[in-house]
Amino acid sequence: EVQLVESGGDLVKPGGSLRLSCAASGFTFRNAWMTWVRQAPGKGLEWVGRIKSETDGGTTDYAAPVKGRFTISRDDSKNTLFLQMNGLKTDDTAVYYCTTDTNLPGYYYYYMDVWGKGTTVTVSS
Amino acid sequence: DIQMTQSPSSLSASVGDRVTITCRASQSISNYLNWYQQEPGKAPNLLIYAASSLQSGVPSRFSGSGSGTDFTLTISSLQPEDFATYFCQQSDSTPYTFGQGTKLEIK
Repeated sequence: EVQLVESGGDLVKPGGSLRLSCAASGFTFRNAWMTWVRQAPGKGLEWVGRIKSETDGGTTDYAAPVKGRFTISRDDSKNTLFLQMNGLKTDDTAVYYCTTDTNLPGYYYYYMDVWGKGTTVTVSS
Repeated sequence: DIQMTQSPSSLSASVGDRVTITCRASQSISNYLNWYQQEPGKAPNLLIYAASSLQSGVPSRFSGSGSGTDFTLTISSLQPEDFATYFCQQSDSTPYTFGQGTKLEIK
């Protein structure tokens, strides 16, 4: 069964740091592009950033609100995706989802077809 | 960044109704447009990719159309399990962006 399981969410003070993990199973993780998406309470979905597979360069892209504060990384030997969050702000309070960023073979189309259940990050003093 | 605007923001409908949700991009995105359904307290679920391709396992009452800047998601005959929030998302370029969502409620 294809599965993503996030962990690491917690209550943290403004300015603090947190590291989220996402354990993948049921598919070839090392070939997958992976994305983090967040959802603030009662709000819509916000793309946080993406990491490509190592064979595609392993490069990362970030949304403007988190660039310079958040870092996405991966450990393909452990089938695990990470989100290191530093300088946390109250606006970062959200459920964080990890997803696959899947490419339709032979085409440029990308879509998020596998989602974890999410982990909750609360930034508050 | 590409802005995605959905309409309406909320919609009341009855079981059996035909419903259409619209998504507009701030610039042309060809057909790099995906649709997701989210039930309360759950993760989003991919319905449609590449504007009109039905994801495996999604009922055929869901369909998508459009290209360029204007897109629609249609549910041909609403079922009780369809009352949820729907989001469009562009995958033309990063940062990927989502519409603000359309909440579909029971009339």
